Amino acid sequence: DIQMTQSPSSVSASVGDRVTITCRASQGISNSLAWYQQKPGKAPNLLIYGASTLYSGVSSRFSGSGSGTDFTLTISSLQPEDFATYYCQQANSFPRTFGQGTKVDI
Amino acid sequence: QVQMVQSGTEVKKPGASVTVSCGASGYTFSNYGFTWVRQAPGQGLEWMGWISAYNGNTKYAQKFQGRVTVTADTSTSTVYLEMRSLRYDDTAVYYCVRDGYCTTTSCYSNALDIWGQGTMVAVSS
Repeated sequence: DIQMTQSPSSVSASVGDRVTITCRASQGISNSLAWYQQKPGKAPNLLIYGASTLYSGVSSRFSGSGSGTDFTLTISSLQPEDFATYYCQQANSFPRTFGQGTKVDI
Repeated sequence: QVQMVQSGTEVKKPGASVTVSCGASGYTFSNYGFTWVRQAPGQGLEWMGWISAYNGNTKYAQKFQGRVTVTADTSTSTVYLEMRSLRYDDTAVYYCVRDGYCTTTSCYSNALDIWGQGTMVAVSS
């Protein structure tokens, strides 16, 4: 199985801050990496797929980069609605695997 | 409207079975694969299994192999998750998610794009 390791597990930030979350795969997955945002009591929402492609309707302050084993999600200027938990997920193979999540709070 | 709508909360006793359903609408159901993901209280996301609605092929996490069955009914555009021998630590929210576009040769997935609203399954004596 491909293990996905996210860091940090939590980050405290302020409105307007630039926030970066990293995700490392235990083996190469090309660009088969997705990022999700989850708010309390809600289902996750897809933000980015193919490591860097913004999903329809997602704000351009979110961006993704990386290939192979190392990936990054960046929020360019944190907004109040961005306080949430973020997960990476590899779509390269079965079983699908997720990172453990990164909680972004104030 | 592209969406997936799941069945309601379930409360089960240890050792029982549960079936969660998930209805798809707004797209051609049989062209897609579907995944089940669960989330225990305060925990992260855990992938359970996948089915191709195109040909019925399935994949399961080793942890759930033999205890979980995923099926798809193309006549009603519904995906099902059956879990048997429930334990207390199966208490979680269960999500169905669209996962991959399927053709005659294979299924191709970039991400889990359309999520159901989640179904709470509580295991309690």
